[in-house]
Amino acid sequence: EVELVESGGGLVQPGESLRLSCAASGFTFSSYSMNWVRQAPGKGLEWVSYITGSSSSIYYADSVKGRFIISRDNAKNSLYLQMNSLRDEDTAVYYCARALRVGTTKQIDYWGQGTLVTVSS
Amino acid sequence: QSVLTQPPSVSAAPGQKITISCSGSSSNIGNNYVSWYQQLPGTAPKLLIYDNNKRPSGIPDRFSGSKSGTSATLGITGLQTGDEADYYCGTWDSSLSAGVFGGGTKLTVL
Repeated sequence: EVELVESGGGLVQPGESLRLSCAASGFTFSSYSMNWVRQAPGKGLEWVSYITGSSSSIYYADSVKGRFIISRDNAKNSLYLQMNSLRDEDTAVYYCARALRVGTTKQIDYWGQGTLVTVSS
Repeated sequence: QSVLTQPPSVSAAPGQKITISCSGSSSNIGNNYVSWYQQLPGTAPKLLIYDNNKRPSGIPDRFSGSKSGTSATLGITGLQTGDEADYYCGTWDSSLSAGVFGGGTKLTVL
């Protein structure tokens, strides 16, 4: 069974940094592209970033480009999101999400339960 | 302002059917697969439809998807109170090199 478990969320002040982690199990992690998607309180889904299985291709939403870094450790079956220079508008539940198929497909099938990041002074 | 446009809300009685539209452009829906997700209150999104019109195992055939040009549609028949949720369309935008979602549609089953 596919399982994605996020961790690392919390309360931080504007300008600070935070690193999110996602532990994956139940599938061959290195074969699948992965995503981070966020949802601000009471708002819709916002795609944040995508990384292929080999980390050869990485994409970011304009809203986080230059501030966030996605990475993965296939030996540890883990996905990460390093978030720097955090802003109030980054407050959201952050979901780790798996791509639908092996390879470079962009569709998402499985989602984690999410971790809440609150940016506030 | 979302790249993909969905109606904010839709409502119908139990047993009825509804459709939810998702409008985009040639750089997203027009040239990429569309997925649909259901988000029940307080939970993570769940995949309902992929590849425009395919259902993952375990998703009842009351749920259907279609795509025509730069628009996609989610259909739900035999509405149940348990279908009350937010529904999102999603795809890839080849011009932006980014994932995009619709703003979400809240379904109320009266």
